[in-house]
Amino acid sequence: DADVTQTPRNRITKTGKRIMLECSQTKGHDRMYWYRQDPGLGLRLIYYSFDVKDINKGEISDGYSVSRQAQAKFSLSLESAIPNQTALYFCATSSGQGPHEQYFGPGTRLTVT
Amino acid sequence: GQSLEQPSEVTAVEGAIVQINCTYQTSGFYGLSWYQQHDGGAPTFLSYNALDGLEETGRFSSFLSRSDSYGYLLLQELQMKDSASYFCAVSSNTGKLIFGQGTTLQVKP
Repeated sequence: DADVTQTPRNRITKTGKRIMLECSQTKGHDRMYWYRQDPGLGLRLIYYSFDVKDINKGEISDGYSVSRQAQAKFSLSLESAIPNQTALYFCATSSGQGPHEQYFGPGTRLTVT
Repeated sequence: GQSLEQPSEVTAVEGAIVQINCTYQTSGFYGLSWYQQHDGGAPTFLSYNALDGLEETGRFSSFLSRSDSYGYLLLQELQMKDSASYFCAVSSNTGKLIFGQGTTLQVKP
């Protein structure tokens, strides 16, 4: 079984809809991250969490919110989706030793029409 | 702030050696990581350099010069399966990893 899983894998939604992307991990890591990837722009950090009670904004948090329900679960929400949030979203984890070695989920391809 | 620069595209032939450079600007620098991503797939960790010098892992090596804010990924004995995007990323005292925009490597027969 995969160590980091994301659901759904693909989603098409309409402008203005609320959508939640979910991430679960079995690696026992405390640190979890959400990134979005757009062609030619690499991976940009949306939010990150060092433990259940610690949530931090990344580079591009506007329009997004997160919830760390448990050590193993970290959800990303788009309260009111807009077309420029169409992207590939990745969840990742790392151990307490630092962010340098991260383990990524398979990604969620989100399309907002 | 933090910024990284790496070439957008590199092309090489099977069996050859290719070097992907990365320059960075960041405060509170801890180290430089490299990730590989095949088209449509998840990024996977390749290597990490916290100290100056060369780290070797099989056909891949990574180098860091902290004084020059520079590093590179060296891929030897290129194979077709090495065609992918390669990202450098800096970690710092913020606890975050900041990625470069990626280098697309195309390996030709």
